[in-house]
Amino acid sequence: GAVVSQHPSWVICKSGTSVKIECRSLDFQATTMFWYRQFPKQSLMLMATSNEGSKATYEQGVEKDKFLINHASLTLSTLTVTSAHPEDSSFYICSARPRLNQPQHFGDGTRLSIL
Amino acid sequence: GESVGLHLPTLSVQEGDNSIINCAYSNSASDYFIWYKQESGKGPQFIIDIRSNMDKRQGQRVTVLLNKTVKHLSLQIAATQPGDSAVYFCADTRLGGSNYKLTFGKGTLLTVNP
Repeated sequence: GAVVSQHPSWVICKSGTSVKIECRSLDFQATTMFWYRQFPKQSLMLMATSNEGSKATYEQGVEKDKFLINHASLTLSTLTVTSAHPEDSSFYICSARPRLNQPQHFGDGTRLSIL
Repeated sequence: GESVGLHLPTLSVQEGDNSIINCAYSNSASDYFIWYKQESGKGPQFIIDIRSNMDKRQGQRVTVLLNKTVKHLSLQIAATQPGDSAVYFCADTRLGGSNYKLTFGKGTLLTVNP
């Protein structure tokens, strides 16, 4: 149980385009999902907390107009990287939590490469 | 952007040996702790968790020890296997805090030699 699916797993696109990443909880509902960014050989950095039916909460230093988050249902959150540039290239990972006092379960990440 | 020159702490063990991975956390208010395993190119996978009212918890081949006095967490893996090779992260949070956000440690790269 507690499976989180992330799509796509890998995307390459040109500078200036926007990229949408989906995160789905397959066998549970999640009122809260989380988006992380991870650089090579580094830890996970929380970007934002996605709340179903309301605005996302962004961490300090994360541009909300750059990283658009939508959590339209209890099983789906999306992260859109708008007008992506090479410095946005990274590994983006989402997570979801079945219940408040249970651990977050993670998707397998999306490798984003901006040329 | 990316930082050049950073490297993860590493631990190299022989297959069959026991492994101990350590982690320090900074928030004395944290009361829930989780160990995750991350294989190359994948997301973190839940291994085991522990709450602050316990100092030890055992799973299958894994044991987590918590020392709240010195804010230290360890993960013990018994009879380490090549499939255990991965990066291991500890994470902590405060239940009842803002959305239960996790704070991740730096990670330790475990390499198991056959």
